[in-house]
Amino acid sequence: QKEVEQNSGPLSVPEGAIASLNCTYSDRGSQSFFWYRQYSGKSPELIMSIYSNGDKEDGRFTAQLNKASQYVSLLIRDSQPSDSATYLCAVPLSGSARQLTFGSGTQLTVLP
Amino acid sequence: SAVISQKPSRDICQRGTSLTIQCQVDSQVTMMFWYRQQPGQSLTLIATANQGSEATYESGFVIDKFPISRPNLTFSTLTVSNMSPEDSSIYLCSVAARTGGDEKLFFGSGTQLSVL
Repeated sequence: QKEVEQNSGPLSVPEGAIASLNCTYSDRGSQSFFWYRQYSGKSPELIMSIYSNGDKEDGRFTAQLNKASQYVSLLIRDSQPSDSATYLCAVPLSGSARQLTFGSGTQLTVLP
Repeated sequence: SAVISQKPSRDICQRGTSLTIQCQVDSQVTMMFWYRQQPGQSLTLIATANQGSEATYESGFVIDKFPISRPNLTFSTLTVSNMSPEDSSIYLCSVAARTGGDEKLFFGSGTQLSVL
């Protein structure tokens, strides 16, 4: 059974700071990694995907992947109160990105 | 991405009854997926719904409890049968769509189920 571990938090950062969210995974063969954002009472929304070692940037979001350490992180620069949500890390159950196993999520609060 | 509609958005049900959740996608997809999110927990895959064949269930989930229909390439239903309070969860329909050259998973708005 593939496992995905996240710091459960909650994590609080002041507005404008960098929020760092971490995730480790058990299956060394995992090739793709996803970060979802879930606002309270809403469904998960895909915000980042990463497939190669290194960094991938999209606006204020940066995903970092280290396959040797089986570690993936999400950095949110210039955090805004609207970033307050639960962030879920996910990896495919099998080789396809169609079926995912999710971490328990990290609840982030950005304080104005 | 795909537009995924689910209904009902929420329901309160009595123990022992059944609820059928509907999921409609705005494009044809081969597979549809049903996830459960128990209170304060992360998402767990229940089953994969394939058009023209029986659904494939993950460990811990059985067809008698969660029967699934997939009559065509844009629609699926999940029934939660003989409900108990432990079935109180958010149930989410999802599909995979290709965006930016890669296949990614997208979710419907979910069905919040409370069982009394």
